[in-house]
Amino acid sequence: GAGVSQSPSNKVTEKGKDVELRCDPISGHTALYWYRQSLGQGLEFLIYFQGNSAPDKSGLPSDRFSAERTGGSVSTLTIQRTQQEDSAVYLCASTGVGDRIDTQYFGPGTRLTVL
Amino acid sequence: GNSVTQMEGPVTLSEEAFLTINCTYTATGYPSLFWYVQYPGEGLQLLLKATKADDKGSNKGFEATYRKETTSFHLEKGSVQVSDSAVYFCALSPSNTGKLIFGQGTTLQVKP
Repeated sequence: GAGVSQSPSNKVTEKGKDVELRCDPISGHTALYWYRQSLGQGLEFLIYFQGNSAPDKSGLPSDRFSAERTGGSVSTLTIQRTQQEDSAVYLCASTGVGDRIDTQYFGPGTRLTVL
Repeated sequence: GNSVTQMEGPVTLSEEAFLTINCTYTATGYPSLFWYVQYPGEGLQLLLKATKADDKGSNKGFEATYRKETTSFHLEKGSVQVSDSAVYFCALSPSNTGKLIFGQGTTLQVKP
């Protein structure tokens, strides 16, 4: 079946604008994760969803970052008032019911550039 | 807290050389340990994993053993190929949380 998909693949925005990044997990996967990959910070965990609830938001770097998940499927990561330090590749991953919760399948990422 | 430290790269080897990429971790409880690989232009893929002490994960000729006494999970391969050129990430998942904590990544370049 299809893997994890993310859109857009690339996003260029101006400082101060809001952006929305989308993740479509593998069908039937109940757990969904967001990570950020940047040159200075490596790969960082942002937020974890189990179904539509987010039991762990500890990695969100500021209150400009928020995420939601609807219908236990698609998730949207929103960054308000973007800053240049938000430039990174944003990765989404999902885990199926049959897997251990820590076996994650990653999407191709969204490359965000803030000018 | 939980953290992962892996050897800095880049690592440059000739084809058929032996590979070791060191990884050590700090964690509370009993984490699961992983190696992920990112080939040029591709997404992050799980390479291998181990879920408890003394477990050995293996895949595509790569191996890593979960060593609790030395808090290590070093990646090894006996004979690398040009196609193994990629960025390798060591990671841990703290008990029952699901999230992954990654090391900084090690770039491997294999020359023919």
